[in-house]
Amino acid sequence: DQQVKQNSPSLSVQEGRISILNCDYTNSMFDYFLWYKKYPAEGPTFLISISSIKDKNEDGRFTVFLNKSAKHLSLHIVPSQPGDSAVYFCAASSLGGNQFYFGTGTSLTVIP
Amino acid sequence: GAGVSQTPSNKVTEKGKYVELRCDPISGHTALYWYRQSLGQGPEFLIYFQGTGAADDSGLPNDRFFAVRPEGSVSTLKIQRTERGDSAVYLCASSLGGQGYEQYFGPGTRLTVT
Repeated sequence: DQQVKQNSPSLSVQEGRISILNCDYTNSMFDYFLWYKKYPAEGPTFLISISSIKDKNEDGRFTVFLNKSAKHLSLHIVPSQPGDSAVYFCAASSLGGNQFYFGTGTSLTVIP
Repeated sequence: GAGVSQTPSNKVTEKGKYVELRCDPISGHTALYWYRQSLGQGPEFLIYFQGTGAADDSGLPNDRFFAVRPEGSVSTLKIQRTERGDSAVYLCASSLGGQGYEQYFGPGTRLTVT
């Protein structure tokens, strides 16, 4: 049973525009969320995180929004750059939990 | 500084054989995780070590899978009697602690069982 879902397997965006990647979760006990970026033949790299006490966290061009009532989070990348082309995974865990549950990933292509 | 390293990068084995996959975490990281990533899926949790002990092994799919971390640093994931369904990329990650700490992933070991 997939507790973290990324329903868009791929996304293409023009360079300079906004990329919005979405993630939904089913477990209301999740309270810590992360986004990872993955290039081919490399392990995932941490991008940004958010805890459930916040609804927004920003780091440079990357902003994560959390809507707890909808059990939904999104990653905004503004402006998008060709180097952002990668697979993005969202992940979630619960307070005191050791397991991180990952979504299936969204492949982002930023077109120059 | 050195990141998480995993060896081998690729492993091809025959069905029924035994394999060991090694993970060298970042120095000083007490937490170590193993994940399995099948094609088209996200990483799936297998086991979590805090120091030398397996704090959570609930993700191991069956008793053919076992992992150790005897000195609280290097970890080995062991798979007995491999099956074709074990074919996947096995990822290792380490962090300074448990939840709330960023996990640093290695490049993974691609296991192919023929």
